Amino acid sequence: EVQLLESGGGLVQPGGSLRLSCTASKFTFTSFAMSWVRQAPGKGLEWVSAISGGGGTTYYADSVKGRFTISRDNSKNTLYLQMNSLRVEDTAVYYCAKDSGIVGPTPLTYFDYWGQGMLVTVSS
Amino acid sequence: QLVLTQSPSASASLGASVKLTCTLSSAHNNYAIAWHQQQPEKGPRYLMKVNNDGSHIKGDAIPDRFSGSSSGADRYLTISSLQSEDEADYYCQTWDSDIQVFGGGTKLTVL
Repeated sequence: EVQLLESGGGLVQPGGSLRLSCTASKFTFTSFAMSWVRQAPGKGLEWVSAISGGGGTTYYADSVKGRFTISRDNSKNTLYLQMNSLRVEDTAVYYCAKDSGIVGPTPLTYFDYWGQGMLVTVSS
Repeated sequence: QLVLTQSPSASASLGASVKLTCTLSSAHNNYAIAWHQQQPEKGPRYLMKVNNDGSHIKGDAIPDRFSGSSSGADRYLTISSLQSEDEADYYCQTWDSDIQVFGGGTKLTVL
């Protein structure tokens, strides 16, 4: 079964940086777009960023544009999220999610697998 | 603007059925959506994709008790023979060329 394992979360001060990783297994990683989704304490899901299978195209929510950078290393089956200029409101559980890859009119589709999530806390 | 609207809460009795609704913004009423379940203290789990014609594609090992349907801008998730483990938050998701969107989620209580 598809596995997505996040790492790199923790406590960071406002204005600081953190890099999250998501290691994938049991599917052909390079064939699928991947996303990061976050969930603030007691709140709903918020999409953060996505990247195409080859890594050449990236997408960002307005709330993180210019501060976060998504990337992937297909030789290592690993997805990354570099988070800079962190704010208190970035505190959340961060999930990586696999795109279904179903061929359609848009490059992004729905998520068919999720990681277990990891907590990022931005606080002084 | 692409928006999904869900009722914040729903409840139904053990063994009964419940129908959750996700409404697309009017300009996007032909879009497909996906349903995800999030049990307490767990990560989300994909349930199914629901197309505008009501057809749906379920995820791995999703019980037959879960089904999807559609009417106009509304996409539905019906859960029959409710069990205690169905008590969870349910989110709908849709997508466009460069964006993913989630509804606010519905908290389902099994009485």
